[in-house]
Amino acid sequence: GQQLNQSPQSMFIQEGEDVSMNCTSSSIFNTWLWYKQDPGEGPVLLIALYKAGELTSNGRLTAQFGITRKDSFLNISASIPSDVGIYFCAGQESWDNYGQNFVFGPGTRLSVLP
Amino acid sequence: KAGVTQTPRYLIKTRGQQVTLSCSPISGHRSVSWYQQTPGQGLQFLFEYFSETQRNKGNFPGRFSGRQFSNSRSEMNVSTLELGDSALYLCASSQGVSGNTIYFGEGSWLTVV
Repeated sequence: GQQLNQSPQSMFIQEGEDVSMNCTSSSIFNTWLWYKQDPGEGPVLLIALYKAGELTSNGRLTAQFGITRKDSFLNISASIPSDVGIYFCAGQESWDNYGQNFVFGPGTRLSVLP
Repeated sequence: KAGVTQTPRYLIKTRGQQVTLSCSPISGHRSVSWYQQTPGQGLQFLFEYFSETQRNKGNFPGRFSGRQFSNSRSEMNVSTLELGDSALYLCASSQGVSGNTIYFGEGSWLTVV
């Protein structure tokens, strides 16, 4: 099935550093979601974006819905050890009578070194 | 309020058997969607149910099926299990209308041997 392009695939950073990751699509999306997944657990919603250009923060996390509606980025400031995990972006092309069908990026695996 | 609840959390089945997984959505949510997560394929959409009707379906064989009950609880069934069906099966719930987000359960780990 269709997947989003997400980069980087993995990253190793020092505690306290800022992190940036992004997602791109060949299709125009009307919704972007960002999730974090810990090992053995389900993805947990971090930020939801609904309008092109929208910039939303959730604590140390900031995400933006790209103006072209084909991309989104997630920034994490001042990383801490509990930020370790896999970050997924998810997008939906359009809402129609056939309901919702989100497509997911392959994930960015974040490791934080003390 | 309580989150999305999935049962069982872990199970092991033999090739050729069938399996039923259960999901209780967040109270008030009418949409339940199912996803398969594997290391190789990532998160893949299986299907979505809304008000007891399958509203959308991903690209999976007919061995994968589901249903939703009047209380919005949902089950998915996989028949004639194959080794490649080993995966984390995630249920997600939402209010099911435009602009909604989806909230995941912890998943059911299925191992087929």
